[in-house]
Amino acid sequence: AQKITQTQPGMFVQEKEAVTLDCTYDTSDQSYGLFWYKQPSSGEMIFLIYQGSYDEQNATEGRYSLNFQKARKSANLVISASQLGDSAMYFCAMREGGRAGKSTFGDGTTLTVKP
Amino acid sequence: DTGVSQDPRHKITKRGQNVTFRCDPISEHNRLYWYRQTLGQGPEFLTYFQNEAQLEKSRLLSDRFSAERPKGSFSTLEIQRTEQGDSAMYLCASSLDRFGAKNIQYFGAGTRLSVL
Repeated sequence: AQKITQTQPGMFVQEKEAVTLDCTYDTSDQSYGLFWYKQPSSGEMIFLIYQGSYDEQNATEGRYSLNFQKARKSANLVISASQLGDSAMYFCAMREGGRAGKSTFGDGTTLTVKP
Repeated sequence: DTGVSQDPRHKITKRGQNVTFRCDPISEHNRLYWYRQTLGQGPEFLTYFQNEAQLEKSRLLSDRFSAERPKGSFSTLEIQRTEQGDSAMYLCASSLDRFGAKNIQYFGAGTRLSVL
């Protein structure tokens, strides 16, 4: 069974600094996708970044990058130049299989950006 | 592209009543998903549709829960005889499933259900 572990319930970062949010996963599949979502207090889940298991390069989207270490089964999110608006809950998720449906989510990390 | 739309945003009901939620996916998306999220946890998968076909249901989806997606467009999630344990945020997501696509799930703002 697939499982996502986010070991940091809460993180603090100073504005304009970089922060790394940890995510480890467990799967027996060779083909899978890894995702990060942001959930502000308003409740909407906002897609940030995607990494496929066969992608050789780490994914990047603006200030977001995914540090993918396949052998260690980790997919950490790096946010550079933190902004006050980055304060939110962050979820790591995985979808197993080439065309499977559901995603499995971790329990999230609450990020607080300090001015 | 107007995004995934969910209605209502909030629903307060009494125990034992039936409730129905609606989700309108992104127009060209062929897949639609329902998740449930309780406080302090990540979303848990409930069910998903490929067009109008319901392809997978979680064990979390008891007999009191039913979901439909007539004509492969919008979807409804009905909870019969609500219980206090049903109180949660119900999230809908949609994606485009085709060969070579990343199949990224885009979420709506959710429906927050409170059962008194």
